[in-house]
Amino acid sequence: GAGVSQSPSNKVTEKGKDVELRCDPISGHTALYWYRQSLGQGLEFLIYFQGNSAPDKSGLPSDRFSAERTGGSVSTLTIQRTQQEDSAVYLCASILRGEQYFGPGTRLTVT
Amino acid sequence: QKEVEQDPGPLSVPEGAIVSLNCTYSNSAFQYFMWYRQYSRKGPELLMYTYSSGNKEDGRFTAQVDKSSKYISLFIRDSQPSDSATYLCAMSGTGGFKTIFGAGTRLFVKA
Repeated sequence: GAGVSQSPSNKVTEKGKDVELRCDPISGHTALYWYRQSLGQGLEFLIYFQGNSAPDKSGLPSDRFSAERTGGSVSTLTIQRTQQEDSAVYLCASILRGEQYFGPGTRLTVT
Repeated sequence: QKEVEQDPGPLSVPEGAIVSLNCTYSNSAFQYFMWYRQYSRKGPELLMYTYSSGNKEDGRFTAQVDKSSKYISLFIRDSQPSDSATYLCAMSGTGGFKTIFGAGTRLFVKA
């Protein structure tokens, strides 16, 4: 069946602009993570959605970052007033029985 | 000190070699231990999943967990060029622990 999809696959933006990254999880998966992966770094936890519970936002690096999940399915990660240090690959993963299924990621470049 | 330490490599081996990849960790509450494989410009995919201490074998792959030493390993037998990828260790505990990832080790298997 279809896996996790993310869009866009690549995004180049100017410093100071806002960006929206989208994640379509696997149907029926109730939990979803967003991670950030910088060159040579592990996956940095950003935010976690589980069902109808309040999301765990403890990994968001600043108040410029926000995320929402509509209808328990599609999630969007928004970065306002982008900075060059936001350049990274943003990955989402949906979870079933403890196993994380990752999307291909969005490569964000802030110039 | 990071919760999970993993040598980023790169590690270069000839085809057919036995590969040993390792991670150390500091949080004794971790109980679930995973290895993910990530090909270039793709999301990570789960390779091995182990609960608590012990060994687990799947084809050419063997995962070992030594909780007393806080040390986990992934062995790849008869390595193939198609095994060339970044391997990330990951671990989590019960009670709502988030999954913590290592930085990943880049492996190159030369034909």
